[in-house]
Amino acid sequence: RKEVEQDPGPFNVPEGATVAFNCTYSNSASQSFFWYRQDCRKEPKLLMSVYSSGNEDGRFTAQLNRASQYISLLIRDSKLSDSATYLCVVSPGIRYNQGGKLIFGQGTELSVKP
Amino acid sequence: DVKVTQSSRYLVKRTGEKVFLECVQDMDHENMFWYRQDPGLGLRLIYFSYDVKMKEKGDIPEGYSVSREKKERFSLILESASTNQTSMYLCASSTGTTRETQYFGPGTRLLVL
Repeated sequence: RKEVEQDPGPFNVPEGATVAFNCTYSNSASQSFFWYRQDCRKEPKLLMSVYSSGNEDGRFTAQLNRASQYISLLIRDSKLSDSATYLCVVSPGIRYNQGGKLIFGQGTELSVKP
Repeated sequence: DVKVTQSSRYLVKRTGEKVFLECVQDMDHENMFWYRQDPGLGLRLIYFSYDVKMKEKGDIPEGYSVSREKKERFSLILESASTNQTSMYLCASSTGTTRETQYFGPGTRLLVL
């Protein structure tokens, strides 16, 4: 079983749609959670961190459910510019993670159409 | 702004050649990472380093080595390139713990013929 699993998509949605991505992780000791965004042929960049209480940044809402080991990203009122691959990222959950390793999911591809 | 640069955007090498990929970061970050990214497999960690002259194996270190002689520079070496090492190589850096963001370079697309 992969440590971080995502639906690879692609998700094809019209402009203005609401789209949700889900991610599960296998190590219950994981401590840090993030969503990264990767545009076509570009490097990944941090979109937002994910906190237990849930957090929102404009049209983007991230949720964490530790009991179910589940992370979600909701995008409201999607724009053409949201088209990208969204990577679910988790810390490996060891007690002393020297070096700051992160584990990346395969990514979910989103295509927003006019 | 954090900047991570990689020596080449595109590289074509022949099987058996020794290949050097260089990565430089300008933010005095302790941690540096080398990943490869392949369709359907996502980002896979090859090696990382949390200090000068320190290196740790990632998930797929076979066929690769690294060097970190200076804090800002982390080199990935393919001792004898093979066709299955054709991939996108991404370097990243971060500071401190896992709660810190990793900043990526633009990537090097390597083709081994």
